[in-house]
Amino acid sequence: QKEVEQNSGPLSVPEGAIASLNCTYSDRGSQSFFWYRQYSGKSPELIMFIYSNGDKEDGRFTAQLNKASQYVSLLIRDSQPSDSATYLCAVNNGGGFKTIFGAGTRLFVKA
Amino acid sequence: KAGVTQTPRYLIKTRGQQVTLSCSPISGHRSVSWYQQTPGQGLQFLFEYFSETQRNKGNFPGRFSGRQFSNSRSEMNVSTLELGDSALYLCASSRRPTDSTDTQYFGPGTRLTVL
Repeated sequence: QKEVEQNSGPLSVPEGAIASLNCTYSDRGSQSFFWYRQYSGKSPELIMFIYSNGDKEDGRFTAQLNKASQYVSLLIRDSQPSDSATYLCAVNNGGGFKTIFGAGTRLFVKA
Repeated sequence: KAGVTQTPRYLIKTRGQQVTLSCSPISGHRSVSWYQQTPGQGLQFLFEYFSETQRNKGNFPGRFSGRQFSNSRSEMNVSTLELGDSALYLCASSRRPTDSTDTQYFGPGTRLTVL
């Protein structure tokens, strides 16, 4: 079992719709959770981080964390074609002193 | 504030050669992590340095090594290059070690091609 798993996609949504990206992790001791966006040919850029169970909203983005289910998700409301990218889920396992990345989910937003 | 910088941006080497990549973190950041990104394996953790000390290492052979200088700049070296080492090498910096809740900021990467 991979430490951080994401559906590779591609996930295709129409412009204006809600895109839902999911991520599961295996280490119950994980403490910090991050979502990065990576455009083709570019380096990852941080979108959001979340540490506590529940929802965290930032503009059109909402991160949801459920530590009991070892699940973290990212919702993108009012999706735009410019949101088309690969979204990487990253989990910091604290005691292991490293951040593990998922393989990423490719998102396509159709105009 | 300047972001993370990496040099060179592109490299072409042949099998058996060695290569050194450089990373300058954001000013004030003392942690530097290195990652290898390939289409098949995604983003793989190589190692992390904090205050000139390697804190953790990923599952890569000993051909991959690194170091950090007193000004927090870091270098990674790959010896005896293999075709499979072709990848985008990314450096990320943060103020504190990555076992904290600090976030990492990525540089533009070095694209290494091994022929």
